[in-house]
Amino acid sequence: AQSVTQPDIHITVSEGASLELRCNYSYGATPYLFWYVQSPGQGLQLLLKYFSGDTLVQGIKGFEAEFKRSQSSFNLRKPSVHWSDAAEYFCAVGGQTGANNLFFGTGTRLTVIP
Amino acid sequence: GAGVSQSPSNKVTEKGKDVELRCDPISGHTALYWYRQSLGQGLEFLIYFQGNSAPDKSGLPSDRFSAERTGGSVSTLTIQRTQQEDSAVYLCASSLSGGTPYEQYFGPGTRLTVT
Repeated sequence: AQSVTQPDIHITVSEGASLELRCNYSYGATPYLFWYVQSPGQGLQLLLKYFSGDTLVQGIKGFEAEFKRSQSSFNLRKPSVHWSDAAEYFCAVGGQTGANNLFFGTGTRLTVIP
Repeated sequence: GAGVSQSPSNKVTEKGKDVELRCDPISGHTALYWYRQSLGQGLEFLIYFQGNSAPDKSGLPSDRFSAERTGGSVSTLTIQRTQQEDSAVYLCASSLSGGTPYEQYFGPGTRLTVT
């Protein structure tokens, strides 16, 4: 069965510090992987996605993520966090064939302190 | 351009009442999804529409939940005889076509509170 685990419910970082949000997935076939961000009162916005090829993908707002098949992970990183990055982050997995929907993790809430 | 819109943004209802939640997808998007986001939970898939095909209802939690999509555009999610456990944010998303590769664009959601 498909599933996504985000082990960190809440992370606090200082502005300017680096960030890594963890995501582990379980999927029976080659997955499509996504990171979404949700600001308060807003819908989800796609940060980046991995389908195939280079395992290090670049996204919007300076985010990147690395697909590691051996670890079933797709961790999100940013070298220097800005106060505006405070939000909820969701990792999601989908199938390459026959799948109609995404499976989401429970999210990681990011707090940025000055 | 206009994004996905949902109405109402907030809905408070009494237990046992029926509610209707509306979603207006991005114009030209043929695929439409409904998800539910409960407190402390990730997004839970409910139902998927693609063009004129029969919807994928595999995520609907009970027969109290139903959805329709008229004219391939606007969708309505109906919850009958609401229960307190139905309290959640209901998110709608649309994509250019169906299937995982196509980016899903999300609306702001409808927060449903059942008292």
